Amino acid sequence: GESVGLHLPTLSVQEGDNSIINCAYSNSASDYFIWYKQESGKGPQFIIDIRSNMDKRQGQRVTVLLNKTVKHLSLQIAATQPGDSAVYFCAEGSYKLIFGSGTRLLVRP
Amino acid sequence: DTEVTQTPKHLVMGMTNKKSLKCEQHMGHRAMYWYKQKAKKPPELMFVYSYEKLSINESVPSRFSPECPNSSLLNLHLHALQPEDSALYLCASSQVLAGGPGNTGELFFGEGSRLTVL
Repeated sequence: GESVGLHLPTLSVQEGDNSIINCAYSNSASDYFIWYKQESGKGPQFIIDIRSNMDKRQGQRVTVLLNKTVKHLSLQIAATQPGDSAVYFCAEGSYKLIFGSGTRLLVRP
Repeated sequence: DTEVTQTPKHLVMGMTNKKSLKCEQHMGHRAMYWYKQKAKKPPELMFVYSYEKLSINESVPSRFSPECPNSSLLNLHLHALQPEDSALYLCASSQVLAGGPGNTGELFFGEGSRLTVL
């Protein structure tokens, strides 16, 4: 069998539905938080960021929510499209950017 | 030009070889980064250069040697690597050091150099 840790958590959603990807971060001193999208064979691509003094920020079809009390970050994607299929990483930083574990998003047609 | 270009895209080397990975950006960014990414894992920070000076070394083994010849170029020299060093090596750049004034961490990544050490 395969070992734990070789599988990415996977979120499967129907095209057109909303997606919510969650992330727990570790450093309560981090100043900013970012979501990156990584498609197969490509480098990570910046999606949206949020400063630690905010709890919500909206972009085009995406919203990031920050809950500092429980050190939780989420990315909401509205009307998910096939092109949204990728691995999504949260990242946190103060003077350096550290990536958290990823979630694979699969969009069913 | 909003690209970070990495060469080569693929590299196979023996444990006794010496090779280099190259990275180039023409966005006028003054911070450049090397990350290492294993399959199904997040990118791990290796080195950060700010204004062509090494700013962060994340306790990377000396068989990896970074070099920043000028503000547009970043190299990673490889020598006496081990098979466990096989990974995707990602270069990134940002306007200024991530976390510094005016920058919240938007890094521009290249597509990576996939390294296999035999």
